[in-house]
Amino acid sequence: AQSVTQLDSHVSVSEGTPVLLRCNYSSSYSPSLFWYVQHPNKGLQLLLKYTSAATLVKGINGFEAEFKKSETSFHLTKPSAHMSDAAEYFCVVSERTGGFKTIFGAGTRLFVKA
Amino acid sequence: DGGITQSPKYLFRKEGQNVTLSCEQNLNHDAMYWYRQDPGQGLRLIYYSQIVNDFQKGDIAEGYSVSREKKESFPLTVTSAQKNPTAFYLCASSSRGSYQPQHFGDGTRLSIL
Repeated sequence: AQSVTQLDSHVSVSEGTPVLLRCNYSSSYSPSLFWYVQHPNKGLQLLLKYTSAATLVKGINGFEAEFKKSETSFHLTKPSAHMSDAAEYFCVVSERTGGFKTIFGAGTRLFVKA
Repeated sequence: DGGITQSPKYLFRKEGQNVTLSCEQNLNHDAMYWYRQDPGQGLRLIYYSQIVNDFQKGDIAEGYSVSREKKESFPLTVTSAQKNPTAFYLCASSSRGSYQPQHFGDGTRLSIL
């Protein structure tokens, strides 16, 4: 069965400190994994995607994520938080099967303190 | 600029009334999706369409209907059968294939009068 778990509903960091948003997944097939960001009253914007190429994926705005198959994790990181990073982040898993199998995590709200 | 346009941004529904949310894309994507987002929850799939004139129910299709007569358009009707329609509705599109990233509109917020 396919599932995705975002381990923290809220994360708070100070500006200039590292960000870590955690995501674990389960999948019966080779998954594609995504991170999206959502600012208030806006749609979701793709940050990065993993589709079985390099396990370390670089995205927009300085974010990156590492696919670890042995740990079934796809954590999102950024070396230095900026105030504009405050938003909701969603981890998403899709399976490469026929039909539609895409699951969204419940989201992690990131707060950035000045 | 290519993208997805949802309208209106805010919508109010009276009891017993059907309302239709618009979603238009100019990305030449085959697949389109409707999601419902409630506070503190992730996105839940209402309907999706992978090709014109075909669509499939998602996890929470009851009380909703869709049509896909044109590639660019995928309107969602919230019917009076949907007893708790207050939510943020997001439309998305992608190239065909569930492993393709989705592009989202800016949403419609529906409230009950």
